[in-house]
Amino acid sequence: DTAVSQTPKYLVTQMGNDKSIKCEQNLGHDTMYWYKQDSKKFLKIMFSYNNKELIINETVPNRFSPKSPDKAHLNLHINSLELGDSAVYFCASTQTGAEKAFFGQGTRLTVV
Amino acid sequence: AQKITQTQPGMFVQEKEAVTLDCTYDTSDQSYGLFWYKQPSSGEMIFLIYQGSYDEQNATEGRYSLNFQKARKSANLVISASQLGDSAMYFCAMREGFNNDMRFGAGTRLTVKP
Repeated sequence: DTAVSQTPKYLVTQMGNDKSIKCEQNLGHDTMYWYKQDSKKFLKIMFSYNNKELIINETVPNRFSPKSPDKAHLNLHINSLELGDSAVYFCASTQTGAEKAFFGQGTRLTVV
Repeated sequence: AQKITQTQPGMFVQEKEAVTLDCTYDTSDQSYGLFWYKQPSSGEMIFLIYQGSYDEQNATEGRYSLNFQKARKSANLVISASQLGDSAMYFCAMREGFNNDMRFGAGTRLTVKP
């Protein structure tokens, strides 16, 4: 069973569209994250949720809105997509005090 | 301010030799965790090793060991007996604070030469 699953794996869309990326973890973890990995491979934290509460909200355009309907899910909705949003987006989860944090397989978003 | 620093953008190592990837961090927390991840060209993030700030022994996982020097705030990854399949990006990360803030260094691209 996949621990952290993201869908879709690939997403190609036109500028101005609205899209969502879904993330689910079946590990019972209390914290979930979204990261953006740019073309230089830098992993930048965007958001984190702890027990469904938004904890970290980095300087991210407000076109990006995370939603956590429950502890096991953290979805990312992006409005009015721009070329610069093209990147790989990773979801991750961890449990407070645990020795691992697990990543989803990533979603490669291409805005054309 | 950058909390995790990886100063080696790229490293080369001969197959079967050992290599050390550097990582320094900055935190005022007493309790934190340090992680290393491998990202091969296929793109997935693979967990390698974890070191807790209160752990007195250096963590080891197979061919991976973490050289933890708390006073120097360094957490270098040592890969012994390098294999061609070790060629990848390697990321150091730190998780700190009550909110599990987890941030990454810029990564080191390791190339293993045959």
